[in-house]
Formats: sequence, C-alpha cells, structure tokens
Amino acid sequence: DAGVIQSPRHEVTEMGQEVTLRCKPISGHDYLFWYRQTMMRGLELLIYFNNNVPIDDSGMPEDRFSAKMPNASFSTLKIQPSEPRDSAVYFCASTYGPPYEQYFGPGTRLTVT
Amino acid sequence: SQQGEEDPQALSIQEGENATMNCSYKTSINNLQWYRQNSGRGLVHLILIRSNEREKHSGRLRVTLDTSKKSSSLLITASRAADTASYFCATDSNRGSRLTFGEGTQLTVNP
Repeated sequence: DAGVIQSPRHEVTEMGQEVTLRCKPISGHDYLFWYRQTMMRGLELLIYFNNNVPIDDSGMPEDRFSAKMPNASFSTLKIQPSEPRDSAVYFCASTYGPPYEQYFGPGTRLTVT
Repeated sequence: SQQGEEDPQALSIQEGENATMNCSYKTSINNLQWYRQNSGRGLVHLILIRSNEREKHSGRLRVTLDTSKKSSSLLITASRAADTASYFCATDSNRGSRLTFGEGTQLTVNP
C-alpha cells in the first residue's frame, strides 16, 4: 500500500483565496482524521470521519473551514476565504479502528500571504 | 493545558546513550501511544500501551505506564543519529476515536 496520500504537498496562496487540501486514506481504513500543526498550538485535531460520516468537528476553527468525505477513498479540507493565520502544516491520518495506531500522510504545508 | 504533556521539551545526547522522555496526562485513558516525527514529515506510530499494561518493549524502545500517576515514559536505548526527531505521546482519553497529542520532545542525537 502507498500509505496515506495528500496533495498538494505545498500550497502558497493569497489571503482571501479558496484553498482545497486532498487526502486519500489507506484502503480498508474506516477512520479519517484531519490535523493542523503549528509551532504555537502544536498538533490539533480538526475533524474526523467514520465510514465517511463526520463524527467530531469540534476542532474546526470557524465556518471558513469545511471538510467532506464523499467516499471511502477521498476527503477534502477546504478553507474559504483563507487568512494568514491559517498558515500551518495540515495532516491527514487514517486508521482501521479506535484506538489503533493512526497512519499519517506527509502533510500539506500551507502558506497564506 | 493539553491532555498529554511531554517532558523535557528538548533533549540532546550523544550517540550510544539512552534517551528518556516523559508524558503526563490528566484524565483516565484506555491506551497511550507514542509517535515519532522527523523534520518535515508526518508522524509515525511507534508503540501502543494499554491502560492495563505497565511496560512494553519494541526493539530499542521501552515504554512504561503508571496510571496512578497518569504518566508514561519512553526509553530509547543505544541511540543513533537517525533517532533525531520529535517524539509525541497521544492519549485517547475515553473520548471515542480521537487522540490528543502532547507538545512533543525534540530529541537530538549527536554523532
């Protein structure tokens, strides 16, 4: 298996633009997690899905953030409009059940200028 | 403060020495996990210890868990330069499937 795949790996955009991050989990994994990592706040859970259904989105910072999982092999995290404080590394992770080990993707480094 | 807090924040040792990192948490847990993150990469799972276990080994890794003190430690024996990374503990905190990660310990192993 190729592991968790994320795209793009790097994204530089201007404030106010829409940003879409993509994730392909490991085949057979029923859980998908989106995290954000910054120096100031560490690794934060934004939202997670189970069988494509959002279970806990309490970490989503505000309405500018939205996440979808239309099928078992694809998820998106969208920021609209983006702001400089959204600059961070965004990770997607998947697992086959709780509380088993999570498999992380390589991350998307987002820079909003 | 976060559920998992690592101590120390940074650790620098020489190759061949042992490295010990500690993690404290606040609420009861089912399991505690340790992850490693190399610079610019995603986190990689190292080891999981269940709340009814006290010690677990995996290669050069040794993890202990003391639920009465709500703490865990990760020992890396005979460290190598390749062990240079950030190490995070993560707890499930009886909050379903989510994990809460600590702030991490930055380990530097000097050759």
